[in-house]
Amino acid sequence: AQSVTQLGSHVSVSEGALVLLRCNYSSSVPPYLFWYVQYPNQGLQLLLKYTSAATLVKGINGFEAEFKKSETSFHLTKPSAHMSDAAEYFCAVSGGSNYKLTFGKGTLLTVNP
Amino acid sequence: DADVTQTPRNRITKTGKRIMLECSQTKGHDRMYWYRQDPGLGLQLIYYSFDVKDINKGEISDGYSVSRQAQAKFSLSLESAIPNQTALYFCATSDSKSEGRGTQYFGPGTRLTVL
Repeated sequence: AQSVTQLGSHVSVSEGALVLLRCNYSSSVPPYLFWYVQYPNQGLQLLLKYTSAATLVKGINGFEAEFKKSETSFHLTKPSAHMSDAAEYFCAVSGGSNYKLTFGKGTLLTVNP
Repeated sequence: DADVTQTPRNRITKTGKRIMLECSQTKGHDRMYWYRQDPGLGLQLIYYSFDVKDINKGEISDGYSVSRQAQAKFSLSLESAIPNQTALYFCATSDSKSEGRGTQYFGPGTRLTVL
């Protein structure tokens, strides 16, 4: 069984500030982990993924995430928020032979000028 | 052109009507999925198909059915729509043979409203 918990349904930051979106996972097998972003009225776009290679993963638009097995976490960060980062972000976990994704409930990121 | 397309993009229908949502992909992927998204609930898996002859129920399959007409096409049907099926529906695909197995690629979504 696998599950994802995203801490904070809504995060608000100022433009230029650090973005930190938290994700904790549970998986009975070594996981693959993903962050997706959903801009208003659009589908989900892959931001980055961890597939058992480097624990620090760099994605698009300056985002990165670090896989920490001891903490069962995969938090998403960006050093400096931009107005265009305002969107909903979903963490997802995949494990086992079927590779199905289980999604968290999402975190809405607001960026204030 | 988009790799994963969904039709229609928006649909308003009435309770009791039969509705079909269609998904097509040009990515050559073998696996396809249908999700629904409700505010605050994330994405919930309705059905998934690992190939044309392999179709499986997801977490919330009651009231839905699917058809995998070809590797590139996967349709979702609501046999008798009800208001609580009002939601945003997404199709996704993945490639079981790629190094990033499990990575799913999403269509733009269909917004369905059942009155």
